[in-house]
Amino acid sequence: AQKVTQAQTEISVVEKEDVTLDCVYETRDTTYYLFWYKQPPSGELVFLIRRNSFDEQNEISGRYSWNFQKSTSSFNFTITASQVVDSAVYFCALSGLNSGGYQKVTFGTGTKLQVIP
Amino acid sequence: DGGITQSPKYLFRKEGQNVTLSCEQNLNHDAMYWYRQDPGQGLRLIYYSQIVNDFQKGDIAEGYSVSREKKESFPLTVTSAQKNPTAFYLCASSSDGTRYGYTFGSGTRLTVV
Repeated sequence: AQKVTQAQTEISVVEKEDVTLDCVYETRDTTYYLFWYKQPPSGELVFLIRRNSFDEQNEISGRYSWNFQKSTSSFNFTITASQVVDSAVYFCALSGLNSGGYQKVTFGTGTKLQVIP
Repeated sequence: DGGITQSPKYLFRKEGQNVTLSCEQNLNHDAMYWYRQDPGQGLRLIYYSQIVNDFQKGDIAEGYSVSREKKESFPLTVTSAQKNPTAFYLCASSSDGTRYGYTFGSGTRLTVV
């Protein structure tokens, strides 16, 4: 069974602070994909990043960076110098590449980030 | 611009009524999905469809029904059998299973009055 845990329900930071959102996953698949999505107040989930289980390189995109560690089954997301526009709910998700035609995606419960000006 | 359109944005339903939520995509994606989002919970899969004229139940399909007569459209009907339908409903699509992530619509907020 797949499971994604986002233990931080809500986080508040002051603008320009760095913040890390934690994501821990469980899966028996050897090949899988991890995602982060952002859900602003408008409601639509916006795709941020995808990593496959064979690529443990960390990635940086502007103020965003992701730390993937298979040894601890974690895929953490860091926002550097946070801005008010970063305020949103962030979801971590896991997709297993198994047989049967459907690759189930499991979402975490989300972390609500509030950036205070 | 390509994307997913969900309508209406807000929907109110009286108890005992069926309502249908619309989801249309112009991305030429084969697979489409319906998720339900409740406060403090993650997204839970209701139904999914990988090709036209075929769909499968997700984790919480009871009280819901879908159809997939066209590639572009995947409407969701919330029936009177769904005992707690008040929630935020999200439609998504993907081009290659789940390996490349989903494109989501902007959601429909359903409230039972």
